[in-house]
Amino acid sequence: GAVVSQHPSWVICKSGTSVKIECRSLDFQATTMFWYRQFPKQSLMLMATSNEGSKATYEQGVEKDKFLINHASLTLSTLTVTSAHPEDSSFYICSARAPWGQPQHFGDGTRLSIL
Amino acid sequence: TQLLEQSPQFLSIQEGENLTVYCNSSSVFSSLQWYRQEPGEGPVLLVTVVTGGEVKKLKRLTFQFGDARKDSSLHITAAQPGDTGLYLCAGPNAGNMLTFGGGTRLMVKP
Repeated sequence: GAVVSQHPSWVICKSGTSVKIECRSLDFQATTMFWYRQFPKQSLMLMATSNEGSKATYEQGVEKDKFLINHASLTLSTLTVTSAHPEDSSFYICSARAPWGQPQHFGDGTRLSIL
Repeated sequence: TQLLEQSPQFLSIQEGENLTVYCNSSSVFSSLQWYRQEPGEGPVLLVTVVTGGEVKKLKRLTFQFGDARKDSSLHITAAQPGDTGLYLCAGPNAGNMLTFGGGTRLMVKP
């Protein structure tokens, strides 16, 4: 089956640091990748949608300058949390989808802890 | 905006009991998906229902899609501790992006 790899799985860093999270589709070409944020005991909230080679589309309330998304190839998207603060601590999950109509495949998530 | 409401939000039962989780919307969905998520991991797709009235079975799990394609249910028979997790329903919106329900956190005690 389709596999999506997310790295790192857990990161702890100091406030003010920028953190990059990678999302890779290992065995298919992902024309679209999605980034979600999940707080403890809550559901997934879509942050942004990125299509290969174009700018990401951010959901309302998500700061695009804070959460930089790059989808430079059909197998890799990155989310960079810039100047992270404790309130950015959360579980970030990516998903990838082949062309329109295909199901999304989820990564295992990245737990980000900002001290 | 297409919203999905799940109930109950939290369920704690004993091993061997049966349970039903509901996913409701005022909007029609072309399909609905059910996921299970365990702590520290991403959601894993259990099933996709597409046709109104459709029933799908996955071992002890039975999924049903409402006739009007506005709701779905997940029934677990003889729950086991391994069924513990967060159950999420999700459906595609007009832009074919997934909208998630609020989730049902299930705990099955041995």
